[in-house]
Amino acid sequence: NAGVTQTPKFQVLKTGQSMTLQCAQDMNHEYMSWYRQDPGMGLRLIHYSVGAGITDQGEVPNGYNVSRSTTEDFPLRLLSAAPSQTSVYFCASSAPLGGGDTDTQYFGPGTRLTVL
Amino acid sequence: KNEVEQSPQNLTAQEGEFITINCSYSVGISALHWLQQHPGGGIVSLFMLSSGKKKHGRLIATINIQEKHSSLHITASHPRDSAVYICAVPNAGGTSYGKLTFGQGTILTVHP
Repeated sequence: NAGVTQTPKFQVLKTGQSMTLQCAQDMNHEYMSWYRQDPGMGLRLIHYSVGAGITDQGEVPNGYNVSRSTTEDFPLRLLSAAPSQTSVYFCASSAPLGGGDTDTQYFGPGTRLTVL
Repeated sequence: KNEVEQSPQNLTAQEGEFITINCSYSVGISALHWLQQHPGGGIVSLFMLSSGKKKHGRLIATINIQEKHSSLHITASHPRDSAVYICAVPNAGGTSYGKLTFGQGTILTVHP
């Protein structure tokens, strides 16, 4: 299993540009989440999904959109990038379909985004 | 929303020392997570515990549900233990459903 994969690893954008951060997992997990990590702030929840077709907002959703059309993929879209969105973004998944351990979290390697 | 406090924020130790990192939270939970983030940035899950104590090698995690407090201990610390240790709990208490609230992390540096 590849686990949780994220692309790209690094990205530089100009203010106002849009882009999509990709996240995929091959563990048949129900729950997927996006977090951002900023110095001194810890990790904060942006959006999450409890299954295909179901998404909801976390603590800091403004400026981001998500969709979950399949169990495997959970892309994060930046609509119009701003310098305040410079951060490291982590995708995580948990809860295998069919039961079992629902709480252990698996994290992707992260995407380091800089908005100029 | 669950509030998480971790202490200390920074910890420096000599190789071989016993390390303790503390985590307190405000709302009752089903399970608490201890995570490790290496200098390269990757985050791995060390423990998920809902009661009592768990041990993996030199790492021991304990939780007191009534006091809403958990500790992570490292016995015989080694320079390779240098990392950021993060405590996380379900965002709104109870079960996480993939939504976590994180402590700010403890930066551990172990010198040879």
